[in-house]
Amino acid sequence: AAGVIQSPRHLIKEKRETATLKCYPIPRHDTVYWYQQGPGQDPQFLISFYEKMQSDKGSIPDRFSAQQFSDYHSELNMSSLELGDSALYFCASSSWGGTEAFFGQGTRLTVV
Amino acid sequence: GIQVEQSPPDLILQEGANSTLRCNFSDSVNNLQWFHQNPWGQLINLFYIPSGTKQNGRLSATTVATERYSLLYISSSQTTDSGVYFCAVGANSKLTFGKGITLSVRP
Repeated sequence: AAGVIQSPRHLIKEKRETATLKCYPIPRHDTVYWYQQGPGQDPQFLISFYEKMQSDKGSIPDRFSAQQFSDYHSELNMSSLELGDSALYFCASSSWGGTEAFFGQGTRLTVV
Repeated sequence: GIQVEQSPPDLILQEGANSTLRCNFSDSVNNLQWFHQNPWGQLINLFYIPSGTKQNGRLSATTVATERYSLLYISSSQTTDSGVYFCAVGANSKLTFGKGITLSVRP
């Protein structure tokens, strides 16, 4: 069965650089979520999209933005990167309405 | 927001032992999931269980929604069961995770 695809799997950036993370949801899933997991922490909700519109927002820094495109894939754009942005970033997808969320393998971002 | 508490925070087992992991949550939810995070960071779906009982091999889970708790049972544990177990709950689509339970299974 198709799963949630994230790219890249690993990313190394320098401080103040920009990063773009991509997420391809499971086919026919219309809702995409982004989570950030710092070292030794639990995943924290950043933002979600339903049918290409932002549906909910968590503790996402103003330096970050995201969008969902017409083919339902989503991109998380991160600017002016800081050392504290080093984390595992997960994308998840589901059908709208509180059904099971399926997570991608994550993108490990290291800011040096 | 919803509060999620998992216990115990750490668990060490001898291979072959059984264990129960608990998740308490503070509000009504229509989504509850258990995940296993392996040493490579991958979050593996174990159960989608907003209510009732499910079993999958050596693992089973029970959620009592009216009392706002869920239990994950691991029987005949194996070293490959080691990792962090997360409970995550949501009122709709957004999930709030607990702090996780770190399980170490010794050979």
